[in-house]
Amino acid sequence: DVVLTQTPPTLSATIGQSVSISCRSSQSLLHSNGNTYLHWLLQRPGQSPQLLIYLVSRLESGVPNRFSGSGSGTDFTLKISGVEAEDLGVYYCVQGTHAPYTFGAGTKLELK
Amino acid sequence: VQLVESGGGLVQPGKSLKLSCSASGFTFSSYGMHWIRQAPGKGLDWVAYISSSSGTVYADAVKGRFTISRDNAKNTLYLQLNSLKSEDTAIYYCARVGGYNYFDYWGQGVMVTVSS
Repeated sequence: DVVLTQTPPTLSATIGQSVSISCRSSQSLLHSNGNTYLHWLLQRPGQSPQLLIYLVSRLESGVPNRFSGSGSGTDFTLKISGVEAEDLGVYYCVQGTHAPYTFGAGTKLELK
Repeated sequence: VQLVESGGGLVQPGKSLKLSCSASGFTFSSYGMHWIRQAPGKGLDWVAYISSSSGTVYADAVKGRFTISRDNAKNTLYLQLNSLKSEDTAIYYCARVGGYNYFDYWGQGVMVTVSS
């Protein structure tokens, strides 16, 4: 199975600070059809996960544009440009290129 | 779009349970669906997938014990859990498949506790 390694496991930020989360894959996530099925989720405390970004960099409808995604192959990054209080929670990367789907272990974003 | 899970509870090891996920707000029969679980205080773990044409795929950890199914007439997704183990204790979420192999809508989750 594909292993997704997220760093850091915990991130402390102040409101307005920009932060980045890394997600590294044990193998390339480029599918033979040309798509890279690497997505990002946010799970706020006590809530279900929600989709933020799909296909590496495409923003899900309704998600603020302070969120952005980048990367290719095995290295991916989620950036938040100006953290707001509602951004606190656990961020997960997930891949759908290789069966079975696998998730990163999560990065917890806390207020400093 | 709304997904509402039900059927969870406390069950003894070796016993069975059937989870349901009631879907509304979209054409259920046109979408693939997943079950994903989260053990207490842990991360997310994919469990099973069923396509719009009812093809199924399972995680190795549940293969042969869990069965995913759907009833398009009732707009409902199911997960039959047999031979339950303590390590199956988790919140179980149903999620819809988006256009590019992503989970675009999630239910609120249902807790399954396996304990004697």
